[in-house]
Amino acid sequence: GAGVSQSPSNKVTEKGKDVELRCDPISGHTALYWYRQSLGQGLEFLIYFQGNSAPDKSGLPSDRFSAERTGGSVSTLTIQRTQQEDSAVYLCASSPRLVGETQYFGPGTRLLVL
Amino acid sequence: SQKIEQNSEALNIQEGKTATLTCNYTNYSPAYLQWYRQDPGRGPVFLLLIRENEKEKRKERLKVTFDTTLKQSLFHITASQPADSATYLCALDDSGTYKYIFGTGTRLKVLA
Repeated sequence: GAGVSQSPSNKVTEKGKDVELRCDPISGHTALYWYRQSLGQGLEFLIYFQGNSAPDKSGLPSDRFSAERTGGSVSTLTIQRTQQEDSAVYLCASSPRLVGETQYFGPGTRLLVL
Repeated sequence: SQKIEQNSEALNIQEGKTATLTCNYTNYSPAYLQWYRQDPGRGPVFLLLIRENEKEKRKERLKVTFDTTLKQSLFHITASQPADSATYLCALDDSGTYKYIFGTGTRLKVLA
């Protein structure tokens, strides 16, 4: 069956531009997570969705970051006015429900801000 | 402050030996702890989940222990193989928040 997919796989952008990262979760999974992984670092939790709702946005690094999810499926992470410190791998994961379940990760989007 | 720590140095072991990786945490009260494997350029892949009321969990050559008093989980790979070489991440739930907190991972290299 299809796993979690993310697009684009790689994105190079100039400082100050906006970028959109897409995540297609496994069908039927109600929980969706976004993480960021910088080179040689662990995963930094950004945000989670239960259905289309994101009750806690406190993990987003700044107000330049936003995320939405529509139809309980596809999610988009948007970074406005990108900065060089935004360069990282952005990982999406989905799960049948929020708690106590396996997270299935996508391959990630490698973002490089020049 | 809250911390989750894994051995930052790489672990090199000989093929056939048992690899033991450590995950320690401070100021969390997780209901679940998970272990993932991550290969270079790929997303993490789930291996095992252990609940707070479980002491030990096994799956094939893998074993995880969870000591909520010591605030520590140990991850064992028995009869290790070169194909087990990867970075292994532990993750716990930040109870009541639905957030998962990941350690920085331990890189394991199994030498043939």
